[in-house]
Amino acid sequence: DQQVKQNSPSLSVQEGRISILNCDYTNSMFDYFLWYKKYPAEGPTFLISISSIKDKNEDGRFTVFLNKSAKHLSLHIVPSQPGDSAVYFCAAIGDSNYKLTFGKGTLLTVNP
Amino acid sequence: DGGITQSPKYLFRKEGQNVTLSCEQNLNHDAMYWYRQDPGQGLRLIYYSQIVNDFQKGDIAEGYSVSREKKESFPLTVTSAQKNPTAFYLCASRDTGYEQYFGPGTRLTVT
Repeated sequence: DQQVKQNSPSLSVQEGRISILNCDYTNSMFDYFLWYKKYPAEGPTFLISISSIKDKNEDGRFTVFLNKSAKHLSLHIVPSQPGDSAVYFCAAIGDSNYKLTFGKGTLLTVNP
Repeated sequence: DGGITQSPKYLFRKEGQNVTLSCEQNLNHDAMYWYRQDPGQGLRLIYYSQIVNDFQKGDIAEGYSVSREKKESFPLTVTSAQKNPTAFYLCASRDTGYEQYFGPGTRLTVT
């Protein structure tokens, strides 16, 4: 039973355009959400997060939007750069042990 | 230079052998975590520890064991009871916030 779902295994965009990565969750106990970026054979790097009390958080080119009623969040990257090409994981926290539940990831390819 | 180190980067073992993966951090973080990643899959939690001398099972703990005798170290042993041990193993640590910070990972191949 997958509690965090990233339904698009891959996404391809042109350099300079917007990348939108989507994530859905089923567990209403999740109250904090994170996005990680991962290159092959490396550990994930934390990108940006959002608490359930907010609907938007912005950090430079990265913005995360949260729609609690739809149990949906999205990561926007503007403008996209070739160096953004990586796998992006959505993760959620819903207990006091701060355990992360991950989606399966979306491979983003930014074409020059 | 603060961070999380995992060694070795690549590890090869024969089926039936136990193997221990190293994870060390000098970030002074209390909490540490072990995940495994399989191709096309997200990360799945194996074990975690919120404090020294204490640890809990994650979602896929069967066939694994851990210890937390020092704050800086959280080694993971993959035992012969683990049915599919070949995977990419990731260690992470957390300070007082929500974010976990990951090491570079160890690729374990068991044949």
